[in-house]
Amino acid sequence: GEDVEQSLFLSVREGDSSVINCTYTDSSSTYLYWYKQEPGAGLQLLTYIFSNMDMKQDQRLTVLLNKKDKHLSLRIADTQTGDSAIYFCAEFTGGGNKLTFGTGTQLKVEL
Amino acid sequence: EAGVAQSPRYKIIEKRQSVAFWCNPISGHATLYWYQQILGQGPKLLIQFQNNGVVDDSQLPKDRFSAERLKGVDSTLKIQPAKLEDSAVYLCASSLGPGAPSADTQYFGPGTRLTVL
Repeated sequence: GEDVEQSLFLSVREGDSSVINCTYTDSSSTYLYWYKQEPGAGLQLLTYIFSNMDMKQDQRLTVLLNKKDKHLSLRIADTQTGDSAIYFCAEFTGGGNKLTFGTGTQLKVEL
Repeated sequence: EAGVAQSPRYKIIEKRQSVAFWCNPISGHATLYWYQQILGQGPKLLIQFQNNGVVDDSQLPKDRFSAERLKGVDSTLKIQPAKLEDSAVYLCASSLGPGAPSADTQYFGPGTRLTVL
């Protein structure tokens, strides 16, 4: 089955690192995505990782994938107030040809 | 490159009324998606088109929701009659489709926020 879970809320201080976690259940997922949603806006693609990789780095963003545990994380280095938003992980299952989203993690960055 | 366009951005209607949303995908994208995002939840797929054909509409409440993509470009999503529980943000997304070189990444529009009173 397909089920993607995230913790609801994370609060960090500006300049610290943020780590947002996600667990999924479909072992046939081919790609895993991270999207960012600011208030009143659509979803902005941040990054994605192919299921045969275990890490991907893109500037301040680092994605770690533990396929054995079906665990995905997004690390944001040097978190800024502009990073405050809701972050969604999503799994793409090629067999079902669909994207399944988690419930979202609200990141609050405090001064 | 222009992104996915949606209109209107906001709509308030009374229950039992009808409403329509419009989406213009990124140029050249064969696949178009409509999602429903209820407050506090992640987006849920309603319907997926490839060109002007329906790929997946298994989660679309067909007694009241309909969607079309007649010429394989723009799409409209209609709700008739609306219920209170239809209050949500309706997101449109598009992707290259089967010809994508690797990940068939979906790009989202700003959404239409629907309030049903």
